[in-house]
Amino acid sequence: QVQLVQSGPEVKKPGSSVKVSCKASGGTFSSYTISWVRQAPGQGLEWMGRTVPNFATTNYAPKFQGRISISVDELTRTSFMELTSLRSEDTANYYCAKEGGAGDYYFDTWGQGTLVTVSS
Amino acid sequence: AIWMTQTPSVVSASIGDRVTISCRMDQGISKFLAWYQQKPGKAPELLIHTGSILQNGVPSRFSGSGSGTDFTLTISSLQSEDFATYFCQQYYRFPWTFGQGTKVEI
Repeated sequence: QVQLVQSGPEVKKPGSSVKVSCKASGGTFSSYTISWVRQAPGQGLEWMGRTVPNFATTNYAPKFQGRISISVDELTRTSFMELTSLRSEDTANYYCAKEGGAGDYYFDTWGQGTLVTVSS
Repeated sequence: AIWMTQTPSVVSASIGDRVTISCRMDQGISKFLAWYQQKPGKAPELLIHTGSILQNGVPSRFSGSGSGTDFTLTISSLQSEDFATYFCQQYYRFPWTFGQGTKVEI
């Protein structure tokens, strides 16, 4: 059974960057795709992007293109999401989520979430 | 991007009630739709994928139906642990998008 454990909460200044990690246990890490989804306080879910380790492919939502970078360290079974040029609207809970598999792009396993607060 | 309209935004219901939540797309997505449940302070959990397939371990009182542009999540007999917020998600075309959410409350 796959489990995803994320790094702890962050407080950042506007204009800075944040890097959130997501460590996987169980399963074959190199075979599955990790997406990042965020949720502003009291709001809905917003897909940000994904990485496909085996094919070294990334896909980003147009809204975040140019500000987001998703990477993977297969040795430590960890996915990273970096968001730059932070603004107050980026204050949110950031989740990593594993997709179901080839063609099954729903999220069957989620991390616990990482709260990122952007404030001066 | 595929735009999704999820209704209603809030449902007031009682234990034992039948609850129906709708998700409508602005373009067809075949059956590439999932439903999630989220409780306060927790990550979402997958209930249904491919429009109607129940995820392992999810109670059978949950069911999904629909294809193309119109989808429905039904809870046949609401239990206390079902009070939560529900989201639909399409995975037919990038970027993956979610509905706005439906809060099921007492």
